[in-house]
Amino acid sequence: GAVVSQHPSWVICKSGTSVKIECRSLDFQATTMFWYRQFPKQSLMLMATSNEGSKATYEQGVEKDKFLINHASLTLSTLTVTSAHPEDSSFYICSSSTRDTQYFGPGTRLTVL
Amino acid sequence: DAKTTQPTSMDCAEGRAANLPCNHSTISGNEYVYWYRQIHSQGPQYIIHGLKNNETNEMASLIITEDRKSSTLILPHATLRDTAVYYCIVRPQGGAGSYQLTFGKGTKLSVIP
Repeated sequence: GAVVSQHPSWVICKSGTSVKIECRSLDFQATTMFWYRQFPKQSLMLMATSNEGSKATYEQGVEKDKFLINHASLTLSTLTVTSAHPEDSSFYICSSSTRDTQYFGPGTRLTVL
Repeated sequence: DAKTTQPTSMDCAEGRAANLPCNHSTISGNEYVYWYRQIHSQGPQYIIHGLKNNETNEMASLIITEDRKSSTLILPHATLRDTAVYYCIVRPQGGAGSYQLTFGKGTKLSVIP
């Protein structure tokens, strides 16, 4: 149980385009989902906390207009990187939370050319 | 959240027990100890968590000292597939799972043939 999927697993896009990443909790409903970013040889950094049916809460320094988060159902959250630039290239990881534990997706490798 | 201190790296011989220490001397009474691991280029994997009693599951055992200021994750028979970065995190439980996880640098465990 507690399986979280992400799609796509990797994506390459041109600078200025937008990319959408989906995060799904497959076998449980998650009121809260989280989005993290990880640069090479660094630890995970929380970007935002997403609650179903409400606006996401962004961490300091994360642009909410650039990283659009939609959490329309208890099993699906999406992260859209708008007008992507090479510095947005990173490993994006989502997690879904039960009452006491977060379960992570496999991650999405984004490369912006 | 309370901060944790872990060794940067450790080696373990294949088939032997891997004992990963974590110091969390400022842990609060309502904070749990969580362990995750991240294999290269994958999302973090939940291992185990506990409050004050020792815990065991199919993956590992968690030993928490009586004063709760430190803990040890034990992988009883390490395999090459256990090579990963192991993160010890403390956080409150409950609140509909809305508490975030703060990742430190973790311990890079290398299992050696």
